[in-house]
Amino acid sequence: GQQLNQSPQSMFIQEGEDVSMNCTSSSIFNTWLWYKQDPGEGPVLLIALYKAGELTSNGRLTAQFGITRKDSFLNISASIPSDVGIYFCAGRSTDSWGKFQFGAGTQVVVTP
Amino acid sequence: DTGVSQDPRHKITKRGQNVTFRCDPISEHNRLYWYRQTLGQGPEFLTYFQNEAQLEKSRLLSDRFSAERPKGSFSTLEIQRTEQGDSAMYLCASSLRSGEGYNEQFFGPGTRLTVL
Repeated sequence: GQQLNQSPQSMFIQEGEDVSMNCTSSSIFNTWLWYKQDPGEGPVLLIALYKAGELTSNGRLTAQFGITRKDSFLNISASIPSDVGIYFCAGRSTDSWGKFQFGAGTQVVVTP
Repeated sequence: DTGVSQDPRHKITKRGQNVTFRCDPISEHNRLYWYRQTLGQGPEFLTYFQNEAQLEKSRLLSDRFSAERPKGSFSTLEIQRTEQGDSAMYLCASSLRSGEGYNEQFFGPGTRLTVL
């Protein structure tokens, strides 16, 4: 089963607001990936993080690799209707060079 | 289209039947992964290959499940004697393992399996 704790489970926000979500793990990770998934489709990679403290942006999205190496954060600024979807974090621990663990997802709903 | 492709996109089968799914990774990606996703959950790791070698299998992968990547390119996932609990989205992903450890995974559109 999944060992990542992703929160919040869901968010209902108004267009233009900022969104923040995070993932925590019980073990040290060397990679964090953030994905967005639309219904019936596969996850789409948004941001990849490889170093503790790393802060990376992709348009209005910004993600950070936590200094403790056990957490990561994703922020969406000035949300728009197409930001609707489920966002997943995925992490790879230092003792597993192939396997990624996923969080349960954060469902984002944006209202006009 | 140079992304990960999966076939079929949807499969409906009766309990007890065998099914096989195919995944074509991004060209030159040496790692290929299979995941299973149920409603309201994130993808759960099943197995992964580096080239043709199957390097890790999850305990979720019972003896009814088998995956192959015979030539290090496309992969197949077979489920024998399907059960209703096998109903899920089966996702394939690929990545290019680099010496520096960078390992971005790119997913295909998935195969939705429904077992009646």
